[in-house]
Amino acid sequence: AQKITQTQPGMFVQEKEAVTLDCTYDTSDPSYGLFWYKQPSSGEMIFLIYQGSYDQQNATEGRYSLNFQKARKSANLVISASQLGDSAMYFCAMREVEGGTSYGKLTFGQGTILTVHP
Amino acid sequence: ETGVTQTPRHLVMGMTNKKSLKCEQHLGHNAMYWYKQSAKKPLELMFVYNFKEQTENNSVPSRFSPECPNSSHLFLHLHTLQPEDSALYLCASSQLSELNSPLHFGNGTRLTVT
Repeated sequence: AQKITQTQPGMFVQEKEAVTLDCTYDTSDPSYGLFWYKQPSSGEMIFLIYQGSYDQQNATEGRYSLNFQKARKSANLVISASQLGDSAMYFCAMREVEGGTSYGKLTFGQGTILTVHP
Repeated sequence: ETGVTQTPRHLVMGMTNKKSLKCEQHLGHNAMYWYKQSAKKPLELMFVYNFKEQTENNSVPSRFSPECPNSSHLFLHLHTLQPEDSALYLCASSQLSELNSPLHFGNGTRLTVT
């Protein structure tokens, strides 16, 4: 089974509007971390935002916020006031705690291509 | 220089060639990773090194051979590759002791096998 599922292959948004990118995950670990990355056409992977499984508040970083619904196992990324430069591929990723002491690899979803229209 | 640096940025090689990808991190991290990104597929984890010891080999064919001489440098040696190995190869590093430590990626090597 897929550990991270992003069901939207592509999304379109008008400049200055908000957009939500969906992410659902599957884990039996009580402790885990969720990450969002942006990958422009240049190929670099840019870290955007993090949410821990025990965090009480939804994470926010500037125009990025995470709508974390633990019971539904979803961690949707909300981008407010979209800009042309937000056009990119967006990946959701999860880190599970293996052995309780080492926090290593991330498992990635398939990604969502976001296009911002002027 | 800061961050994670990968060289070369682009590589074209024949199926009989031998080449190496290089990755260097200047972040003081203790874990390094190789990921493969093919078109229309999620990033696939290939190898993980913790404190320069390999801790994960994700069923990668032996034509890919990693090397981690120290916690700052990571290599991927390539030989007798197949056309389906053409992809973007991404190196990353992180700090093992922190759940919230993101992976910091290099810009990747775009590999084409002819």
